[in-house]
Amino acid sequence: DAGITQSPRHKVTETGTPVTLRCHQTENHRYMYWYRQDPGHGLRLIHYSYGVKDTDKGEVSDGYSVSRSKTEDFLLTLESATSSQTSVYFCAISDSGTSGSGTQYFGPGTRLTVL
Amino acid sequence: SQQGEEDPQALSIQEGENATMNCSYKTSINNLQWYRQNSGRGLVHLILIRSNEREKHSGRLRVTLDTSKKSSSLLITASRAADTASYFCATVSGAGSYQLTFGKGTKLSVIP
Repeated sequence: DAGITQSPRHKVTETGTPVTLRCHQTENHRYMYWYRQDPGHGLRLIHYSYGVKDTDKGEVSDGYSVSRSKTEDFLLTLESATSSQTSVYFCAISDSGTSGSGTQYFGPGTRLTVL
Repeated sequence: SQQGEEDPQALSIQEGENATMNCSYKTSINNLQWYRQNSGRGLVHLILIRSNEREKHSGRLRVTLDTSKKSSSLLITASRAADTASYFCATVSGAGSYQLTFGKGTKLSVIP
């Protein structure tokens, strides 16, 4: 998985509790992304980062926040988890490169269940 | 909103047959990429085709792009049971953009 790890891999939590998911890369890539994957929806972008402390919203950012204090770590926080946030979350990385192709490399995913 | 839409949603074939999946998109693109996802795993990049290219090959994979129709196809030749997976197209729009917009995927089952 191209030097990308996600933790935890599985988590069960209760509605209203805060949850933080971590993505760690060893590739020194500039861009990092958080997606959620749900049946019938494919992958949808939550937030992304284009550098340390530089982040922006994606398509489904409501209820989520992110932080990136180091190149290698990108954190996704659910401030107050809801059942609608039950999903599989994927982190991805990309380098700008001279080709600027936007090819992304994905982590193994975190399965989150909010009861 | 989804940019790419794959067709069919599911495809079941016998080992050795060819598998063709189609993707349509809505806006102009910089490039289009295909990814594979095995059950319970992350996505893996397969192949990229730029907007000024019409066809690209990689091993048993052949990708075509028709920008006038805003569509692409992925052909897997001589399929194997190990090709069983979901396949997603994803588009990059705009120069310097590093955001991918994914379709909902085609689930391919290759029967031994």
